[in-house]
Amino acid sequence: DQQVKQNSPSLSVQEGRISILNCDYTNSMFDYFLWYKKYPAEGPTFLISISSIKDKNEDGRFTVFLNKSAKHLSLHIVPSQPGDSAVYFCAARGLSGSARQLTFGSGTQLTVLP
Amino acid sequence: DAGVIQSPRHEVTEMGQEVTLRCKPISGHDYLFWYRQTMMRGLELLIYFNNNVPIDDSGMPEDRFSAKMPNASFSTLKIQPSEPRDSAVYFCASSPSGGAGETQYFGPGTRLLVL
Repeated sequence: DQQVKQNSPSLSVQEGRISILNCDYTNSMFDYFLWYKKYPAEGPTFLISISSIKDKNEDGRFTVFLNKSAKHLSLHIVPSQPGDSAVYFCAARGLSGSARQLTFGSGTQLTVLP
Repeated sequence: DAGVIQSPRHEVTEMGQEVTLRCKPISGHDYLFWYRQTMMRGLELLIYFNNNVPIDDSGMPEDRFSAKMPNASFSTLKIQPSEPRDSAVYFCASSPSGGAGETQYFGPGTRLLVL
């Protein structure tokens, strides 16, 4: 049973417009959420994160929103650029002793069209 | 500063052969993770180590898979015997200890194809 779900396998957006990537989770014990970005033939790289005590975190063109009641988070990219074209993974971490393990979603391929 | 190093980058082998994947974490990082990425299941955690000790191997698919971390700068993931369904990209990641928000740093991955 997937605890972190990214229901859209792909998304295409025009350059300059907003990209919105969505992620849903089922485990209410998750306390920290992260977004990773992955280019072909490379490993995922950390993009932005948010603690469960917040509902928004912003870093330049990237903003992550967290709706705990809906168990939903989203990543907004404004404005979108062709270099943003990549696979985006949502990940969640749960409180579990000294665990540092992350549960990842299946990813969303973002394509930004010039 | 070197990131996480994985070798080989690509591996093609025949069913039944032994495969060994290698990882060198970032110096000073106390945690090391092995992941597998497939189209169907995305990124799955296989096993992770803390200070060279395996903490959780519940993600290891079956006994054909084994992982070791003999020292702080080296880890291996071994598949013996390999099967076609093991074909995937295997990532190693490391993270420092402490704090609630440290992120994991991924290597470039090993693309494994079992024929």
